[in-house]
Amino acid sequence: ETGVTQTPRHLVMGMTNKKSLKCEQHLGHNAMYWYKQSAKKPLELMFVYNFKEQTENNSVPSRFSPECPNSSHLFLHLHTLQPEDSALYLCASSQGTSNYGYTFGSGTRLTVV
Amino acid sequence: KQEVTQIPAALSVPEGENLVLNCSFTDSAIYNLQWFRQDPGKGLTSLLLIQSSQREQTSGRLNASLDKSSGRSTLYIAASQPGDSATYLCAVRPGNTGGFKTIFGAGTRLFVKA
Repeated sequence: ETGVTQTPRHLVMGMTNKKSLKCEQHLGHNAMYWYKQSAKKPLELMFVYNFKEQTENNSVPSRFSPECPNSSHLFLHLHTLQPEDSALYLCASSQGTSNYGYTFGSGTRLTVV
Repeated sequence: KQEVTQIPAALSVPEGENLVLNCSFTDSAIYNLQWFRQDPGKGLTSLLLIQSSQREQTSGRLNASLDKSSGRSTLYIAASQPGDSATYLCAVRPGNTGGFKTIFGAGTRLFVKA
């Protein structure tokens, strides 16, 4: 399998649940990203990992907890979410920073009820 | 602070028409600019990546230009087809933030009528 793979594609969870989103890239990239896309809003950067180290946390609430065990895998652990957290969560990767473009996954459509 | 604006927000054209989508950014210090396509409820598909030293990139019926000095990029789509219907996003990689904080425009929603 090639590219950036995200699972699950769809997720419905209650506000008291704990769930995790998974992202895997098979491109040999060094950097991985989580983005949030809400209806009628531009993409919002959440977290950046470069060589497994978190380099950016864009003021994301602590109910979102990222994990990057290696350069190929990225997780987003979710707990005690709010209905306004319902959105499309997109994972991306790049060879590095600066001169390289992004490759995105298909996203996880999250609904919090 | 870098800001990215896309105009128009929505566009409807008949099949076969040539069209131009616009993207403007406020800070010319960029590493690159990337155009993406997004189908409803799906992820982003990269169309073209223009490095800061380049003026344009072409792929099939698509041509993207970059004018850093004026803070503008255009995406030209030739002979549009119904399958081109999607939201088109431009993304700027600022050159003064370590390259991590790519800024996305809100997108142009394109509808090509058969």
